[in-house]
Amino acid sequence: EIVLTQSPGTLSLSPGEGATLSCRASQSVSSYLAWYQQNPGQAPRLLIYDASSRATGIPDRFSGSGSGTDFTLTITRLEPEDFAVYYCLQYGSSPRSFGQGTKLEIK
Amino acid sequence: EVQLVESGGGLVQPGRSLRLSCTGSGFTFGDHSMSWFRQAPGKGLEWVGFIRNKASGGTTEYAASVKGRFTISRDDFKSIVYLQMNSLKTEDTAMFYCTRGYNSPSHWGQGTLVTVSS
Repeated sequence: EIVLTQSPGTLSLSPGEGATLSCRASQSVSSYLAWYQQNPGQAPRLLIYDASSRATGIPDRFSGSGSGTDFTLTITRLEPEDFAVYYCLQYGSSPRSFGQGTKLEIK
Repeated sequence: EVQLVESGGGLVQPGRSLRLSCTGSGFTFGDHSMSWFRQAPGKGLEWVGFIRNKASGGTTEYAASVKGRFTISRDDFKSIVYLQMNSLKTEDTAMFYCTRGYNSPSHWGQGTLVTVSS
């Protein structure tokens, strides 16, 4: 089973700043990695798929990069609605697996 | 508009069974593989399993934590995917979500809460 490790666990930033979230896989997932945003009480929302492709309707301040075992989600110019929990998901092999999440909170 | 609506959650005793349903609309249901995910209260997301569409063989895959206890099936005529959960444990308590697709699903239902407790 592929283990995904996200860092940091919590990120405290102010609106307008930039955020960099990391996801590291225990073995290569090629580019089969997605990023999700989740707000309390809501279903996850797909942001990025195939490591760097933005999902429909996602603002261009969200970008993804990486391949193999190291991936990054970058959010430029944080908006108030961006403060949420972010998860990475690998679908390069079964079982699918998620990272433990990064909480992006307002400083 | 793609919509997924889960139902069937509730309170169930350990060792008992429960069947969840997920009804899809706004798309050709039979063309798509379908997945189930879950999230325990205050915890992260966990993949449960998926069922491929009939054209891809209709086969299933499961997480180790549910394999042998949970079964995913589908009725393409009714546009429903099911999650049959047997021998439920307290650690199965979670919000269960169905999704369209099995790679990086973009369409999720609102979830149905399953509580396993005596």
